[in-house]
Amino acid sequence: GAGVSQTPSNKVTEKGKYVELRCDPISGHTALYWYRQSLGQGPEFLIYFQGTGAADDSGLPNDRFFAVRPEGSVSTLKIQRTERGDSAVYLCASSSPRLAGGRDTDTQYFGPGTRLTVL
Amino acid sequence: AQSVSQHNHHVILSEAASLELGCNYSYGGTVNLFWYVQYPGQHLQLLLKYFSGDPLVKGIKGFEAEFIKSKFSFNLRKPSVQWSDTAEYFCAVRGSQGNLIFGKGTKLSVKP
Repeated sequence: GAGVSQTPSNKVTEKGKYVELRCDPISGHTALYWYRQSLGQGPEFLIYFQGTGAADDSGLPNDRFFAVRPEGSVSTLKIQRTERGDSAVYLCASSSPRLAGGRDTDTQYFGPGTRLTVL
Repeated sequence: AQSVSQHNHHVILSEAASLELGCNYSYGGTVNLFWYVQYPGQHLQLLLKYFSGDPLVKGIKGFEAEFIKSKFSFNLRKPSVQWSDTAEYFCAVRGSQGNLIFGKGTKLSVKP
């Protein structure tokens, strides 16, 4: 079956531009996560969707970052006024949560990522 | 705040050598722990996970990990590595909202 897909695979932009990164989760997965992985680091959490709503956006670094998931499936991460420090691989993961005490306990499946380079 | 430490940045082994990658986490409550692997040019894949029960967890490709609560550790082991195990390995703990908190990763290079 199809896994998590992300487009584009690579994005090169200039400082100050706006970018959108797309994530298609595994069909039927209600939970969707965005992470950012900088060089030499592990992935860092950005935002978590349960269905259409952002259940936790505490990882977004500032208000230039925003994400939506209007129909509870595809999600778009939007970055305004990009800065060179935004250069990283942006990862998306989805899961089919079996909620236990309010916590998503199922395995997260990752997409291949979008490598964003801000010049 | 929860955190994960992976002490080895880069490990180089010869084929058939035994592997142990260290992982320590900071969290005092119930923990869910994971090891993910990223092969060159591929996306993150789950190797194994611990939720509860037997602290010795067996994963894919002959990997296993042992959860030692008293040491806040979840080390990854494999008795005999192969060249195809060359990859980057990430330990992670599940955060309070379900997100994963990753360590910085350990690069494993296996010499044929």
